[in-house]
Amino acid sequence: DTEVTQTPKHLVMGMTNKKSLKCEQHMGHRAMYWYKQKAKKPPELMFVYSYEKLSINESVPSRFSPECPNSSLLNLHLHALQPEDSALYLCASSQADDRGYGYTFGSGTRLTVV
Amino acid sequence: QKEVEQNSGPLSVPEGAIASLNCTYSDRVSQSFFWYRQYSGKSPELIMSIYSNGDKEDGRFTAQLNKASQYVSLLIRDSQPSDSATYLCAVNNRTDKLIFGTGTRLQVFP
Repeated sequence: DTEVTQTPKHLVMGMTNKKSLKCEQHMGHRAMYWYKQKAKKPPELMFVYSYEKLSINESVPSRFSPECPNSSLLNLHLHALQPEDSALYLCASSQADDRGYGYTFGSGTRLTVV
Repeated sequence: QKEVEQNSGPLSVPEGAIASLNCTYSDRVSQSFFWYRQYSGKSPELIMSIYSNGDKEDGRFTAQLNKASQYVSLLIRDSQPSDSATYLCAVNNRTDKLIFGTGTRLQVFP
């Protein structure tokens, strides 16, 4: 299995809603990431988990809350989002001890905040 | 100065030609360099990685790295319309983050 699976593929939520994005990989990767991508912009790093511990938070607002329940799963909990948070949210994974292999990205969740 | 810079394009080449995409980076201690292809509305797909100075070939793709000049390039030989996409250069920097350039949009016309 060489895939990163993200669900849902599309999500529309109101500013008062609470929702979660899910990411799963079974490649044995011990590093997992959340990126945010706006239209015609490159992916921007949000969070890094290494061996199930949060190692990097790129000063992301607290309305985004990551969680890594185990080495295969990564969640992103969303609460009280703003319309400007609408974007493609990408999950990725990699070998924690050798970044030279690059990251494998999931297909993303297209989020619209109304 | 941005950490990873690319010309946004679009770069337009005829079918069958060589497309040349360039990238510069600012962190001299960066060790790993990647090229991702991203079709509109899709996620990035890793197509090449390079770690040592010189050329690395994989099918129609050749990545070139010059650490002294802090320069990475991607050559696509025999370009096809299906190669039309945005190509993202990515660098693993000293803080162990994968940083993306803004991407170059490639258009291959028949």
